[in-house]
Amino acid sequence: DVVMTQSPLSLPVTLGQPASISCRSSQRLVYSDGNTYLNWFQQRPGQPPRRLIYQVSNRDSGVPDRFSGSGSGTDFTLKISRVEAEDVGIYYCMQGTHWPPLTFGGGTKVEIK
Amino acid sequence: QVHLVESGGGLVKPGGSLRLSCAASGFAFSDFYMTWIRQSPSKGLEWVSYISSSGSIVYYADSVKGRFTISRDNTKKSLYLQMNSLTAEDTAVYYCAGPFRGSSSYWGQGTLVTVSS
Repeated sequence: DVVMTQSPLSLPVTLGQPASISCRSSQRLVYSDGNTYLNWFQQRPGQPPRRLIYQVSNRDSGVPDRFSGSGSGTDFTLKISRVEAEDVGIYYCMQGTHWPPLTFGGGTKVEIK
Repeated sequence: QVHLVESGGGLVKPGGSLRLSCAASGFAFSDFYMTWIRQSPSKGLEWVSYISSSGSIVYYADSVKGRFTISRDNTKKSLYLQMNSLTAEDTAVYYCAGPFRGSSSYWGQGTLVTVSS
């Protein structure tokens, strides 16, 4: 199974400042079709997860452009250019290349300082 | 507007059974594979099961293989999870969700399953 490792575990951020979350996979996530199926999810308190980014860097519909994804191979990053209060929550990476099983990172909790 | 609404969760004794349902609306349900994913404080997000768009291909996590059965009824736009021989380790919020590779991806609100005597 592909192990997804996120860091940091917790990320206190000042409003308006940038934030960056790292996700590393135990195997390269390039699929045989040439795509890399790495997703990012946001889970606000009391809410189900919501997908923000698919295939490393594509924003889902309605996702603000302050969120961006990048990376390749085994190293991926989610960036928030200027953190807003509504961005508080837990962020998860998830790989959909080598499955079953789908596997998730352990999560990064973003909070406001 | 897309909706995935899970139901069927609740409190069940160890060794018991539950059947979860997920009603889909607002998208072409029969075109997409679907999954069940669960979340617990101890294990985080854990994929449970997958079913292809037609229902002909299914996969299970090792932790539930032989105890859970996934199915779907495309005429009713519904997804199901039959859970047998439940243990405390199965306590979690269960979400129906999918797909994940392309530009469309949907996630329900979840239903809580608690296994306790």
